[in-house]
Amino acid sequence: GDSVTQMEGPVTLSEEAFLTINCTYTATGYPSLFWYVQYPGEGLQLLLKATKADDKGSNKGFEATYRKETTSFHLEKGSVQVSDSAVYFCALINTGFQKLVFGTGTRLLVSP
Amino acid sequence: DAGVIQSPRHEVTEMGQEVTLRCKPISGHDYLFWYRQTMMRGLELLIYFNNNVPIDDSGMPEDRFSAKMPNASFSTLKIQPSEPRDSAVYFCASTASGSGETQYFGPGTRLLVL
Repeated sequence: GDSVTQMEGPVTLSEEAFLTINCTYTATGYPSLFWYVQYPGEGLQLLLKATKADDKGSNKGFEATYRKETTSFHLEKGSVQVSDSAVYFCALINTGFQKLVFGTGTRLLVSP
Repeated sequence: DAGVIQSPRHEVTEMGQEVTLRCKPISGHDYLFWYRQTMMRGLELLIYFNNNVPIDDSGMPEDRFSAKMPNASFSTLKIQPSEPRDSAVYFCASTASGSGETQYFGPGTRLLVL
């Protein structure tokens, strides 16, 4: 079945450091890919998404490119802030379905 | 828009008691999802509805769990009887057909079963 694998956390960075969180997927067909973010005590919020190969999703300085050849959707940010500390989930929805398949989440801790 | 609304935000109950979690989806959304989040198992989809009809309940852990959606603006997830292993955060999410599949999550209900 469809699955998402993302790097184990926590990822600990200093403010203004470069961030990469790796995400790879296994799916039949042509899934849409998502990054959701969960701040402490809150629900998940959509951070960005991409619906087809080579699309780049971006929001709040975060970016991810849908790479079909490597089945990857890595999340990047050039300069993290303390306020970016949260848990980040990579997810996919396969064509014709409504079920989100989530990765296990990666906790990001940014220190001043 | 108020977003997805869940109640209660926190629930503490004793083993064997009935627990009812409530969700109001975003107006106009025709899909509603119930998820459970635990440290051990991460995020799990329990059940989802389309136009108030349950489509896939394969994630419901056992018969103690039941979910209903009597109308487009209200859904419940009931656990009867509750057990300590049901302790988790339960999220409700909704989406609209043709919206690009983005699901909008509520703030969650944190359930503790003693």
